[in-house]
Amino acid sequence: GQQVMQIPQYQHVQEGEDFTTYCNSSTTLSNIQWYKQRPGGHPVFLIQLVKSGEVKKQKRLTFQFGEAKKNSSLHITATQTTDVGTYFCAGSNRDDKIIFGKGTRLHILP
Amino acid sequence: NAGVTQTPKFQVLKTGQSMTLQCAQDMNHEYMSWYRQDPGMGLRLIHYSVGAGITDQGEVPNGYNVSRSTTEDFPLRLLSAAPSQTSVYFCASSLRRGVSNQPQHFGDGTRLSIL
Repeated sequence: GQQVMQIPQYQHVQEGEDFTTYCNSSTTLSNIQWYKQRPGGHPVFLIQLVKSGEVKKQKRLTFQFGEAKKNSSLHITATQTTDVGTYFCAGSNRDDKIIFGKGTRLHILP
Repeated sequence: NAGVTQTPKFQVLKTGQSMTLQCAQDMNHEYMSWYRQDPGMGLRLIHYSVGAGITDQGEVPNGYNVSRSTTEDFPLRLLSAAPSQTSVYFCASSLRRGVSNQPQHFGDGTRLSIL
C-alpha cells in the first residue's frame, strides 16, 4: 500500500537557523499537503501542492513538490520560537486515502 | 462556526468494553476521516468516507467500525476495546472537488486509555 516517509524524525536548531524536513512517497501522488501540530494540539493545515515541480512560499516557509510528484520538502528560514511543533506531510492519490508521514518534531534552542 | 467537534475529550475503558467516539462537522464537508496518533507513529488513517452512505478502510481498520448515515456525523466504534487501542483519536473533514482532496480540518481529539 501507499507509504509516506518523512525525515528527520527530530530536529534541534538554534533560533535563527534554517530547518528542512523531507517527505517521500512510495507511489506517485495527486497532491501533497503539509500540516503543523503544536504540542497538545491538533494538526493545522499549512498548504497544498498539486503541480509537478511546484514551489510555494508563506513568509519564511518554502514548500516544494518534486518533478515526479513523489517527494516534497518544507524549508523554514531563520527559525523562531513560534515555529516549535511537529510538521507533517500528507499525500493522496486518486483512491481518496490521505496518508500522513510520521512527522518531524522541531525544537528551537534559544 | 463550530468546525469539527469530537466527544468525549477523554475516556478510560476496560479491556473488552465497547464505545463510540463521536464526530460532527457543520461545514457541509463531503469527506470525513478518522486517524489515531501514537508517539513516534504519526497519524494513521483508520477509516474514511467520501459522502453519506459510503465508507472505506484506511491503513489500520481492524477493531474499528464506522458508519456515515448523514453528511454531518461520522462516529467511530470500538467493538471490544484492547490496550493496543490506547491512543489519541482525531476526526477530520474536508471538501472534495473532483478527485482532489482539499485541506482537512481536524477536531481537538479524543484521548482514550484502555486498561
